[in-house]
Amino acid sequence: KQEVTQIPAALSVPEGENLVLNCSFTDSAIYNLQWFRQDPGKGLTSLLLIQSSQREQTSGRLNASLDKSSGRSTLYIAASQPGDSATYLCAVRLVDSNYQLIWGAGTKLIIKP
Amino acid sequence: SQTIHQWPATLVQPVGSPLSLECTVEGTSNPNLYWYRQAAGRGLQLLFYSIGIDQISSEVPQNLSASRPQDRQFILSSKKLLLSDSGFYLCAWSNTWDEKLFFGSGTQLSVL
Repeated sequence: KQEVTQIPAALSVPEGENLVLNCSFTDSAIYNLQWFRQDPGKGLTSLLLIQSSQREQTSGRLNASLDKSSGRSTLYIAASQPGDSATYLCAVRLVDSNYQLIWGAGTKLIIKP
Repeated sequence: SQTIHQWPATLVQPVGSPLSLECTVEGTSNPNLYWYRQAAGRGLQLLFYSIGIDQISSEVPQNLSASRPQDRQFILSSKKLLLSDSGFYLCAWSNTWDEKLFFGSGTQLSVL
Protein backbone atom coordinates (compact mmCIF):
# COMPACT_ATOMS: atom_id res chain seq x y z
CA LYS A 1 0.00 0.00 0.00
CA GLN A 2 1.38 3.37 -1.05
CA GLU A 3 2.05 5.80 1.78
CA VAL A 4 3.20 9.39 1.43
CA THR A 5 5.00 11.18 4.24
CA GLN A 6 5.96 14.82 4.55
CA ILE A 7 8.55 15.88 7.07
CA PRO A 8 8.64 18.24 8.87
CA ALA A 9 4.99 18.88 9.67
CA ALA A 10 5.80 22.53 10.29
CA LEU A 11 8.70 24.80 9.47
CA SER A 12 9.44 28.41 10.38
CA VAL A 13 12.31 30.26 8.74
CA PRO A 14 13.39 33.90 8.34
CA GLU A 15 12.66 35.69 5.10
CA GLY A 16 15.30 35.33 2.42
CA GLU A 17 16.43 31.82 3.29
CA ASN A 18 16.47 28.97 0.81
CA LEU A 19 14.59 25.96 2.06
CA VAL A 20 13.72 22.38 1.17
CA LEU A 21 10.49 20.54 1.82
CA ASN A 22 10.51 16.77 1.74
CA CYS A 23 8.05 14.19 0.45
CA SER A 24 8.68 10.46 0.63
CA PHE A 25 6.65 7.56 -0.77
CA THR A 26 6.87 3.85 -0.21
CA ASP A 27 6.15 2.43 -3.67
CA SER A 28 8.20 3.62 -6.65
CA ALA A 29 5.52 2.56 -9.18
CA ILE A 30 4.08 6.03 -9.55
CA TYR A 31 2.57 7.78 -12.56
CA ASN A 32 3.48 11.27 -11.41
CA LEU A 33 3.97 13.44 -8.34
CA GLN A 34 2.47 16.86 -7.84
CA TRP A 35 3.21 19.65 -5.37
CA PHE A 36 0.49 22.03 -4.19
CA ARG A 37 0.18 24.93 -1.79
CA GLN A 38 -2.89 25.70 0.26
CA ASP A 39 -3.59 28.97 2.01
CA PRO A 40 -5.93 28.87 5.04
CA GLY A 41 -9.54 28.41 3.98
CA LYS A 42 -8.64 28.29 0.31
CA GLY A 43 -8.41 25.70 -2.41
CA LEU A 44 -5.19 24.06 -3.50
CA THR A 45 -2.92 25.74 -6.00
CA SER A 46 -0.92 23.48 -8.27
CA LEU A 47 2.80 24.30 -8.14
CA LEU A 48 4.71 21.65 -10.05
CA LEU A 49 3.99 18.29 -11.65
CA ILE A 50 6.76 15.76 -12.22
CA GLN A 51 6.07 12.79 -14.44
CA SER A 52 7.62 9.46 -13.45
CA SER A 53 10.16 9.73 -16.29
CA GLN A 54 11.35 13.18 -15.20
CA ARG A 55 13.90 14.15 -12.58
CA GLU A 56 12.94 17.73 -11.88
CA GLN A 57 10.70 20.65 -12.76
CA THR A 58 11.24 24.35 -12.21
CA SER A 59 8.91 27.31 -11.97
CA GLY A 60 10.31 30.65 -10.90
CA ARG A 61 11.82 30.29 -7.42
CA LEU A 62 10.52 26.75 -7.08
CA ASN A 63 12.32 23.58 -8.06
CA ALA A 64 10.93 20.11 -7.50
CA SER A 65 13.00 16.96 -7.86
CA LEU A 66 12.01 13.33 -8.05
CA ASP A 67 14.07 10.25 -7.20
CA LYS A 68 11.83 7.23 -7.71
CA SER A 69 14.46 4.71 -6.67
CA SER A 70 14.75 6.22 -3.21
CA GLY A 71 11.08 7.17 -3.00
CA ARG A 72 11.73 10.85 -2.48
CA SER A 73 10.77 14.22 -3.84
CA THR A 74 11.95 17.61 -2.66
CA LEU A 75 10.53 21.07 -3.20
CA TYR A 76 13.21 23.73 -3.11
CA ILE A 77 12.12 27.32 -2.50
CA ALA A 78 14.75 29.96 -3.19
CA ALA A 79 14.89 33.34 -1.47
CA SER A 80 11.77 32.74 0.62
CA GLN A 81 9.22 35.52 1.08
CA PRO A 82 6.41 36.03 3.62
CA GLY A 83 3.95 35.36 0.78
CA ASP A 84 5.32 31.81 0.57
CA SER A 85 3.72 31.07 3.94
CA ALA A 86 1.19 28.29 3.37
CA THR A 87 0.75 24.56 3.75
CA TYR A 88 2.57 22.60 1.06
CA LEU A 89 1.18 19.23 0.02
CA CYS A 90 2.59 16.54 -2.20
CA ALA A 91 0.47 13.88 -3.88
CA VAL A 92 1.40 10.76 -5.79
CA ARG A 93 -0.71 9.40 -8.62
CA LEU A 94 -0.48 5.63 -8.82
CA VAL A 95 0.36 3.71 -11.97
CA ASP A 96 -2.49 1.27 -11.55
CA SER A 97 -5.10 3.85 -10.60
CA ASN A 98 -5.02 7.02 -12.65
CA TYR A 99 -7.75 8.66 -10.61
CA GLN A 100 -6.62 8.08 -7.10
CA LEU A 101 -3.96 10.27 -5.54
CA ILE A 102 -2.18 9.42 -2.31
CA TRP A 103 -1.67 12.58 -0.28
CA GLY A 104 0.91 13.63 2.23
CA ALA A 105 -0.31 15.39 5.37
CA GLY A 106 1.49 18.58 4.36
CA THR A 107 4.16 20.87 5.71
CA LYS A 108 3.00 24.14 7.22
CA LEU A 109 5.54 26.77 6.26
CA ILE A 110 5.87 30.13 7.98
CA ILE A 111 8.25 32.73 6.58
CA LYS A 112 9.06 35.36 9.19
CA PRO A 113 9.58 38.93 7.93
CA SER B 1 -6.80 29.35 -20.39
CA GLN B 2 -8.71 26.92 -18.22
CA THR B 3 -10.63 27.99 -15.14
CA ILE B 4 -12.68 26.16 -12.56
CA HIS B 5 -15.59 27.72 -10.72
CA GLN B 6 -17.05 26.33 -7.52
CA TRP B 7 -19.89 27.76 -5.47
CA PRO B 8 -21.00 28.69 -2.92
CA ALA B 9 -17.90 29.57 -0.92
CA THR B 10 -19.60 28.96 2.41
CA LEU B 11 -22.78 27.19 3.35
CA VAL B 12 -24.53 26.59 6.66
CA GLN B 13 -27.23 23.95 6.54
CA PRO B 14 -29.38 22.24 9.20
CA VAL B 15 -29.18 18.50 9.70
CA GLY B 16 -31.56 16.69 7.37
CA SER B 17 -31.61 19.38 4.72
CA PRO B 18 -30.58 18.75 1.10
CA LEU B 19 -27.32 19.82 -0.47
CA SER B 20 -26.26 20.87 -3.93
CA LEU B 21 -22.75 22.08 -4.70
CA GLU B 22 -21.88 22.99 -8.25
CA CYS B 23 -18.62 23.07 -10.13
CA THR B 24 -17.93 24.08 -13.72
CA VAL B 25 -14.77 24.06 -15.79
CA GLU B 26 -14.10 26.42 -18.67
CA GLY B 27 -11.51 26.36 -21.43
CA THR B 28 -11.15 22.62 -21.85
CA SER B 29 -13.19 19.68 -23.06
CA ASN B 30 -13.74 16.21 -21.65
CA PRO B 31 -11.92 16.87 -18.38
CA ASN B 32 -11.69 14.32 -15.60
CA LEU B 33 -13.65 15.76 -12.67
CA TYR B 34 -13.30 15.12 -8.95
CA TRP B 35 -14.96 15.91 -5.64
CA TYR B 36 -12.77 15.88 -2.55
CA ARG B 37 -13.53 16.54 1.11
CA GLN B 38 -11.03 17.95 3.57
CA ALA B 39 -12.03 17.61 7.19
CA ALA B 40 -10.49 20.01 9.69
CA GLY B 41 -6.89 19.02 10.41
CA ARG B 42 -7.08 16.02 8.13
CA GLY B 43 -6.01 15.13 4.62
CA LEU B 44 -7.93 15.12 1.38
CA GLN B 45 -10.43 12.35 0.82
CA LEU B 46 -11.55 11.53 -2.72
CA LEU B 47 -15.33 11.26 -2.83
CA PHE B 48 -16.16 10.94 -6.52
CA TYR B 49 -14.43 11.07 -9.86
CA SER B 50 -15.80 11.18 -13.38
CA ILE B 51 -14.13 10.47 -16.72
CA GLY B 52 -17.17 11.46 -18.76
CA ILE B 53 -20.87 12.24 -18.73
CA ASP B 54 -22.74 9.54 -16.78
CA GLN B 55 -19.41 7.92 -15.86
CA ILE B 56 -19.03 8.54 -12.15
CA SER B 57 -17.24 6.41 -9.61
CA SER B 58 -17.67 6.63 -5.87
CA GLU B 59 -14.68 6.09 -3.64
CA VAL B 60 -16.32 6.25 -0.25
CA PRO B 61 -19.79 4.95 0.68
CA GLN B 62 -21.82 7.79 2.17
CA ASN B 63 -25.05 9.71 1.83
CA LEU B 64 -23.59 11.93 -0.87
CA SER B 65 -24.03 11.52 -4.61
CA ALA B 66 -22.55 13.16 -7.69
CA SER B 67 -23.86 13.89 -11.13
CA ARG B 68 -22.36 15.19 -14.35
CA PRO B 69 -25.19 16.58 -16.46
CA GLN B 70 -22.81 18.27 -18.91
CA ASP B 71 -19.24 17.66 -19.97
CA ARG B 72 -17.82 20.43 -17.79
CA GLN B 73 -20.31 20.46 -14.94
CA PHE B 74 -20.05 18.39 -11.79
CA ILE B 75 -22.60 18.49 -8.98
CA LEU B 76 -22.34 17.11 -5.46
CA SER B 77 -25.66 16.39 -3.75
CA SER B 78 -27.26 14.97 -0.68
CA LYS B 79 -30.90 14.36 0.14
CA LYS B 80 -30.39 14.63 3.91
CA LEU B 81 -27.26 16.10 5.45
CA LEU B 82 -25.62 14.62 8.54
CA LEU B 83 -23.48 16.42 11.09
CA SER B 84 -20.53 14.37 9.85
CA ASP B 85 -20.90 15.89 6.38
CA SER B 86 -19.39 19.13 7.64
CA GLY B 87 -16.09 19.93 5.99
CA PHE B 88 -14.32 21.70 3.19
CA TYR B 89 -15.41 20.42 -0.22
CA LEU B 90 -13.16 20.83 -3.19
CA CYS B 91 -13.88 20.29 -6.84
CA ALA B 92 -10.98 19.55 -9.17
CA TRP B 93 -10.28 18.71 -12.78
CA SER B 94 -7.43 17.13 -14.68
CA ASN B 95 -6.65 16.84 -18.35
CA THR B 96 -6.16 13.47 -19.96
CA TRP B 97 -2.59 13.87 -21.20
CA ASP B 98 -0.53 14.64 -18.11
CA GLU B 99 -3.23 14.30 -15.42
CA LYS B 100 -2.21 17.55 -13.74
CA LEU B 101 -4.81 18.35 -11.10
CA PHE B 102 -6.36 21.80 -10.66
CA PHE B 103 -8.64 22.73 -7.79
CA GLY B 104 -11.53 25.09 -7.29
CA SER B 105 -11.66 27.53 -4.41
CA GLY B 106 -13.67 25.21 -2.18
CA THR B 107 -16.93 25.28 -0.23
CA GLN B 108 -16.89 25.36 3.56
CA LEU B 109 -19.96 23.40 4.63
CA SER B 110 -21.20 23.54 8.20
CA VAL B 111 -24.04 21.23 9.14
CA LEU B 112 -25.70 22.29 12.39
